[in-house]
Amino acid sequence: DVKVTQSSRYLVKRTGEKVFLECVQDMDHENMFWYRQDPGLGLRLIYFSYDVKMKEKGDIPEGYSVSREKKERFSLILESASTNQTSMYLCASSGADQETQYFGPGTRLLVL
Amino acid sequence: QKEVEQDPGPLSVPEGAIVSLNCTYSNSAFQYFMWYRQYSRKGPELLMYTYSSGNKEDGRFTAQVDKSSKYISLFIRDSQPSDSATYLCAMSASGTSYGKLTFGQGTILTVHP
Repeated sequence: DVKVTQSSRYLVKRTGEKVFLECVQDMDHENMFWYRQDPGLGLRLIYFSYDVKMKEKGDIPEGYSVSREKKERFSLILESASTNQTSMYLCASSGADQETQYFGPGTRLLVL
Repeated sequence: QKEVEQDPGPLSVPEGAIVSLNCTYSNSAFQYFMWYRQYSRKGPELLMYTYSSGNKEDGRFTAQVDKSSKYISLFIRDSQPSDSATYLCAMSASGTSYGKLTFGQGTILTVHP
């Protein structure tokens, strides 16, 4: 079974803090994705990566950056957390068939 | 206008009912159509996957794609309380870079005993 794990289930941070969200997949997938999920807005793509050290902006990259130093690990960074970044963050990965994405359990982030 | 529109509901049905969930889309390049199910406090999991137009059945679930109308549906027969979840439609275009998906807003379904 594909396993995508995220470092934290719940996180509380203060405005202005730098926040790191980690995602690890164990299926040697090339592609990894970060989404945020908000009520009424569905899943919105923040960034994705198709190879180590390669990244592309998604639909809402502002205020975020990413890092992919190893194939299995994809990190999302909030450089200076703001209250409007309070959300559920979901990581996903996909392999050769590309269209099938496997999701982690999500990190619920609260920025105070 | 969003590329993919999905009625967020919420939808509440009695056990045993037939449930119909729908999405419309505007991008005619979409070729791959998926339905994901997301239980409370969990990540989405792939439920159904369809390429191009037509129907696909898997147990109590049937996915339909009508590309001429830019409309996809998921039917759940004999619905069970365990089907209570958020259902997300997702789609991608052929040759889309690296499997990037576009999601609907999700429909919250509750099946009560």
